Amino acid sequence: QTVVTQEPSLTVSPGGTVTLTCASSTGAVTSGYYPNWFQQKPGQAPRTLIYSTSKKNSWTPARFSGSLLGGKAALTLSGVQPEDEAEYYCLLYYRSVWVFGGGTKLTVL
Amino acid sequence: QVQLQQSGPGLVKPSQTLSLTCAISGDSVSSNSAAWNWIRQSPSRGLEWLGRTYYRSKWYNDYALSVKSRITINGDTSKNQFSLHLNSVTPEDTAVYYCARDANWNYEFWGQGTLVTVSS
Repeated sequence: QTVVTQEPSLTVSPGGTVTLTCASSTGAVTSGYYPNWFQQKPGQAPRTLIYSTSKKNSWTPARFSGSLLGGKAALTLSGVQPEDEAEYYCLLYYRSVWVFGGGTKLTVL
Repeated sequence: QVQLQQSGPGLVKPSQTLSLTCAISGDSVSSNSAAWNWIRQSPSRGLEWLGRTYYRSKWYNDYALSVKSRITINGDTSKNQFSLHLNSVTPEDTAVYYCARDANWNYEFWGQGTLVTVSS
């Protein structure tokens, strides 16, 4: 059973920078896993911020960026805003199936 | 703009079949560049991808191992929708269920979510 691991929680100060990561139990994450990153706020459906490692949707704020870092997928928030406080999930593709990470609760404090 | 509208019962009895439908507007279920997915979310299991259907000259399906023996996802071109059927449900299947479109590796569009409770 493939497991995708994220930091359970992170705290960042307003205006700061934070990087969330997404690791695979099968080894290094590459672009072939087509990492997606989602933001979810209470009571809402997840919203895709980043897809295919680093591509952005039209609604993705410029302060969000995606990359591969040290064998993991990474989501970096630069210049964090209070409204970025949310749960963040990654999603990886494994030869015809997708697997979600457990999510990172980001607190802006 | 693609919109996905979910429908189906919010309460299912144990051992019965959970069935949900996702109606598509702004795209076609038989699009050769999209896949149509079902995802669920519960406090105990987090977000869980359940499976997908897609059309590439014929219909294909992929399912998560965790539900593979119990799940069917169908596309319906006449109604431009796709459906989820999960049989032999237990209280563990209680969750918010979402449909979503994946095109070019982008889960850009989601349904509104349906809370399904499995209880007698």
